[in-house]
Amino acid sequence: GAVVSQHPSRVICKSGTSVKIECRSLDFQATTMFWYRQFPKQSLMLMATSNEGSKATYEQGVEKDKFLINHASLTLSTLTVTSAHPEDSSFYICSAYSSVISGNTIYFGEGSWLTVV
Amino acid sequence: AQKVTQAQTEISVVEKEDVTLDCVYETRDTTYYLFWYKQPPSGELVFLIRRNSFDEQNEISGRYSWNFQKSTSSFNFTITASQVVDSAVYFCALSEPPVNYGQNFVFGPGTRLSVLP
Repeated sequence: GAVVSQHPSRVICKSGTSVKIECRSLDFQATTMFWYRQFPKQSLMLMATSNEGSKATYEQGVEKDKFLINHASLTLSTLTVTSAHPEDSSFYICSAYSSVISGNTIYFGEGSWLTVV
Repeated sequence: AQKVTQAQTEISVVEKEDVTLDCVYETRDTTYYLFWYKQPPSGELVFLIRRNSFDEQNEISGRYSWNFQKSTSSFNFTITASQVVDSAVYFCALSEPPVNYGQNFVFGPGTRLSVLP
């Protein structure tokens, strides 16, 4: 199956700093990538959809200036949490979609645990 | 709008017991896809199965089986002879085309399964 990799898997940062999480499709070109956030004991919440070469579409309630998403190539999307605060601590997971790979399936990365101290 | 319900928030069983996880979905589309994912404590989403709306045939994969019934809009998941390693959160998800539109992929709230030795 298609492989999506996230890095880092775990990161701890100080309050007020920015942290970048990468999402890579390793063996396919992803025309669309998605970013989710998951709070403890809750389901995944879609944050934004990013299409290669264009601005990301953010879901209602997600601060676009705080969660910067860049999808500069067909294999890489990045999520930058700017001026991070403890309440941003969460599990972030990306997924990728390819129009070439059939099945209307999206492929998930391993996720990234962010802890802001 | 589409919706996925997993009425069981948490289930505990003793090893070797069979357990069924319920999933009920709502959609107005005639073409859609249903998924089950496993999320162990480490966080990654492990893809288990994808089923399209035109294929109601039940599926068995080792100790796992799925019962798709359009008449009741259900896509239940059964683990036979459960094992401790099955302990995880299980998510049912629904996807409507076009899947590259993020809001068309909806997760249920998840069911936390604990298999006790």
